[in-house]
Amino acid sequence: DAGVIQSPRHEVTEMGQEVTLRCKPISGHNSLFWYRQTMMRGLELLIYFNNNVPIDDSGMPEDRFSAKMPNASFSTLKIQPSEPRDSAVYFCASSPDMAGVGTEAFFGQGTRLTVV
Amino acid sequence: GESVGLHLPTLSVQEGDNSIINCAYSNSASDYFIWYKQESGKGPQFIIDIRSNMDKRQGQRVTVLLNKTVKHLSLQIAATQPGDSAVYFCAENSGGSNYKLTFGKGTLLTVNP
Repeated sequence: DAGVIQSPRHEVTEMGQEVTLRCKPISGHNSLFWYRQTMMRGLELLIYFNNNVPIDDSGMPEDRFSAKMPNASFSTLKIQPSEPRDSAVYFCASSPDMAGVGTEAFFGQGTRLTVV
Repeated sequence: GESVGLHLPTLSVQEGDNSIINCAYSNSASDYFIWYKQESGKGPQFIIDIRSNMDKRQGQRVTVLLNKTVKHLSLQIAATQPGDSAVYFCAENSGGSNYKLTFGKGTLLTVNP
């Protein structure tokens, strides 16, 4: 298995532009997570999907952020409009079961977003 | 003004020595713990996990110890190698229907050849 695949690996965009990050989870995994990593706050959970349904988006910073999972093999995280403070590494992770029952999450390589 | 970054605890060891990385957690209801390794430019990678009904678990060159009394977790790496240089995170989960893994701030391990 190729693992969790994220694209793009790097994104540089101007403030105000729309940014879309993409994720393909590991086949057969039914849980998907979007995390953001910054030096200031470390790893933060943004949103969690289970069986393609958003379960908890309380970690999403504000209305500028949205996430979708139209099917079991694809998810997007969109920022519109982007701001410099959104600059971070965004990770997608998937798990074969709900992490609450003791299963680790497998992380992708991340997308490094720079908003200038 | 300049922002203050997250100051990671650091551990520097000589190649071949044993390393011990510590982690304190706050939620006494947490019943599942994971250690992740993150190399530069990569995503966190699972190393080893432990459930709260255990106090020790061993893997290949790694051992995790759990002390629920003081809410402390440690990762021991035997015969540390340069390839072990990375940031190590502990993560906790409080179980039940709670799916959230809460990550610690991480420890930077540097192995000197």
